[in-house]
Amino acid sequence: DVKVTQSSRYLVKRTGEKVFLECVQDMDHENMFWYRQDPGLGLRLIYFSYDVKMKEKGDIPEGYSVSREKKERFSLILESASTNQTSMYLCASRVGGGNSNQPQHFGDGTRLSIL
Amino acid sequence: DAKTTQPNSMESNEEEPVHLPCNHSTISGTDYIHWYRQLPSQGPEYVIHGLTSNVNNRMASLAIAEDRKSSTLILHRATLRDAAVYYCILRGMDSNYQLIWGAGTKLIIKP
Repeated sequence: DVKVTQSSRYLVKRTGEKVFLECVQDMDHENMFWYRQDPGLGLRLIYFSYDVKMKEKGDIPEGYSVSREKKERFSLILESASTNQTSMYLCASRVGGGNSNQPQHFGDGTRLSIL
Repeated sequence: DAKTTQPNSMESNEEEPVHLPCNHSTISGTDYIHWYRQLPSQGPEYVIHGLTSNVNNRMASLAIAEDRKSSTLILHRATLRDAAVYYCILRGMDSNYQLIWGAGTKLIIKP
């Protein structure tokens, strides 16, 4: 089975801190995704990467950046954390191919609180 | 992007079939219909997807209306472990990577 592992289940940080969320997948998938999930808003795509060192903005990239130096690892960075970035963050991976209908495989999420 | 409409919540009895509806009246000819579910405290999990024909897998069946304006996810025999939020999502051929997520249907299974 595909395993997507997010480094922390719960994280508490302070306003203004630089925050790193890490995600690792073990199935050699080309595509990786970062979402945030908020009550009433569903999942919203922040960034995605279709291959190593490649990245594309999703719907809500403001205040975030990403890094994909190795195929298995996709990092989400909050440059200067703010309270409105308190949320559940979900990472996913998928077999590559631009129009692939292969399923996305998700980690269990990181619940991030910014104080 | 075409959107989907699902009921906010549904209840069903354990060991009975469950039919989860989804309306997508503005679906285009190349949009695939995907279903995911999210169990409590977990990330979403792929269930099934289809284009025109009905689809079956070990988890569920997907029934697609002939005009493709609606679809139904069928759980043949619900268990308590099927209690989750179920998302019906359209994926267009011109949206190479993205799935557009709605609010989903919260399925409650009664023992």
